[in-house]
Amino acid sequence: NAGVMQNPRHLVRRRGQEARLRCSPMKGHSHVYWYRQLPEEGLKFMVYLQKENIIDESGMPKERFSAEFPKEGPSILRIQQVVRGDSAAYFCASSPPGAIPYIQYFGAGTRLSVL
Amino acid sequence: GEDVEQSLFLSVREGDSSVINCTYTDSSSTYLYWYKQEPGAGLQLLTYIFSNMDMKQDQRLTVLLNKKDKHLSLRIADTQTGDSAIYFCAEEILTGGGNKLTFGTGTQLKVEL
Repeated sequence: NAGVMQNPRHLVRRRGQEARLRCSPMKGHSHVYWYRQLPEEGLKFMVYLQKENIIDESGMPKERFSAEFPKEGPSILRIQQVVRGDSAAYFCASSPPGAIPYIQYFGAGTRLSVL
Repeated sequence: GEDVEQSLFLSVREGDSSVINCTYTDSSSTYLYWYKQEPGAGLQLLTYIFSNMDMKQDQRLTVLLNKKDKHLSLRIADTQTGDSAIYFCAEEILTGGGNKLTFGTGTQLKVEL
């Protein structure tokens, strides 16, 4: 059973471009979470999705950021018109439905650099 | 409130015990977690503890929980150079059939020979 797969591992964008980060959860996992880690800081929750639904987006910036988890395919975190402050590591985690505790398994992250 | 605090650095000698401390603020947290992050990598779950427990032992790892003081600690016995990493504690907030984690700032553990 492969772990949580994130791609790309590294992404370089110029200011104003769009960034698309992909996350394939572990097999059988229908819950996906996105976190952001700024340099020298801990991870901050962004959004929690289940298939085709956003459950909790309380940590998402109000503008430029969006996330989806379609019925088929990976979850996508999309950042439009990137700015230098978006440079960070973005981690995706997944968990299976109904299992308590809700253990989150993390991917290796996508490191976004905005020039 | 959702604030988790940890000391930033800890240095120990190989073979000694390491104790990493964490304080949290959300008394409704059901489970608390410890994760390990090595350079350039994702987070690896080390262990977790249910909030009704005060201790959990798993091989070289011992978790102590003082719910009254909202204090959590991770003890690593016989610390090895491979234990050098950043350690994060996290509390969970239940939401919509799942949870979201609030992480501490991380404690960088350095193991010296």
